[in-house]
Amino acid sequence: KAGVTQTPRYLIKTRGQQVTLSCSPISGHRSVSWYQQTPGQGLQFLFEYFSETQRNKGNFPGRFSGRQFSNSRSEMNVSTLELGDSALYLCASSSWTGPNTEAFFGQGTRLTVV
Amino acid sequence: QKEVEQNSGPLSVPEGAIASLNCTYSDRGSQSFFWYRQYSGKSPELIMSIYSNGDKEDGRFTAQLNKASQYVSLLIRDSQPSDSATYLCAVNGGGSNYKLTFGKGTLLTVNP
Repeated sequence: KAGVTQTPRYLIKTRGQQVTLSCSPISGHRSVSWYQQTPGQGLQFLFEYFSETQRNKGNFPGRFSGRQFSNSRSEMNVSTLELGDSALYLCASSSWTGPNTEAFFGQGTRLTVV
Repeated sequence: QKEVEQNSGPLSVPEGAIASLNCTYSDRGSQSFFWYRQYSGKSPELIMSIYSNGDKEDGRFTAQLNKASQYVSLLIRDSQPSDSATYLCAVNGGGSNYKLTFGKGTLLTVNP
């Protein structure tokens, strides 16, 4: 069974640009969550999608947005990039059979803003 | 603000010893608890999940949960150098959606 696939693995962008990251969950999983990981703040929740609906959102500015498609693939977009957006962006896939459901991470996208 | 606290470490143990990793959480309504292992430069890997009070064993790993004390722990028996990594405690608050709150992780070093 294929795991969670994130593309691209690495990105270098300039301040002010926008970026789109992609996540393909494990086959059959309908819940996709996004997290930002930085050395100072650790792993922080961005948002969660289930069946194309955003169910929960973390405390990030509106520059961070996402969506989910009917095949459960998800994208997140960051507009007007800032230096502080440099981070590892992780996508987690879950089957969502209730709160006691395990989530599995993709390899992440390393974003560097210069 | 829901919080998950872990000792940042680093925790250093000799090969073959028991490593004990601890985690406390602030939200009493939390329902599920997870331990992830993250090697340097890699993504988190799920190693244990626990939902009920008590112990849960899986190979060399034992997770312990005490909801009254809002405390979760992970014991690693017969620690190996390959266990050297950052261990992340994650808590799901429950409800109708999925949101993991993570601790900042404990760096474990197992010395040969």
